[in-house]
Amino acid sequence: GAVVSQHPSRVICKSGTSVKIECRSLDFQATTMFWYRQFPKKSLMLMATSNEGSKATYEQGVEKDKFLINHASLTLSTLTVTSAHPEDSSFYICSARTGARDSPLHFGNGTRLTVT
Amino acid sequence: GENVEQHPSTLSVQEGDSAVIKCTYSDSASNYFPWYKQELGKRPQLIIDIRSNVGEKKDQRIAVTLNKTAKHFSLHITETQPEDSAVYFCAAIHTGRRALTFGSGTRLQVQP
Repeated sequence: GAVVSQHPSRVICKSGTSVKIECRSLDFQATTMFWYRQFPKKSLMLMATSNEGSKATYEQGVEKDKFLINHASLTLSTLTVTSAHPEDSSFYICSARTGARDSPLHFGNGTRLTVT
Repeated sequence: GENVEQHPSTLSVQEGDSAVIKCTYSDSASNYFPWYKQELGKRPQLIIDIRSNVGEKKDQRIAVTLNKTAKHFSLHITETQPEDSAVYFCAAIHTGRRALTFGSGTRLQVQP
């Protein structure tokens, strides 16, 4: 079945530094990938839609300059958390769909970011 | 945009009993409704989904029903087992968007 690989699984960084998270579709091409954020015991909140070869679409309230998204190829999207602060600590999960809009969404393993 | 509400937030059942989780959605144009199971610290895993042209779908101990008129859908787990303990999320796809909108989640605990 479709596999989405996400790295790193865990990262600890100091305030003010930047962290890059990679999301790869391993056995399919994904023109669109989705980045979600999940706080402890909360639901998945869509942050942005990553579009291959074009700018990402950000959800209301998500700072595009803080959460930089690059989707340079059909199998790779990256999320960079710039100038991280402790409140950015969260579980970030990418996802991709193999086909049509109503086809299943496959998730990466997630990245637990802790900013100290 | 789409709004998905999910109830209950927590559910505790005895092993062997059935569990039912309910969701409502706001956009009548939504046409795809998946359910995900998420264990602690892990990725959400798709367990079953239903499309708007179907009223019910079953896969072994898991079933989902959809009422388009009332705009609600439900997950039914029969003969629950301790390994069913997890957080379950419903979701809906808004046809004007490409991303899923998730419910708030239900923490299911199956007592052995």
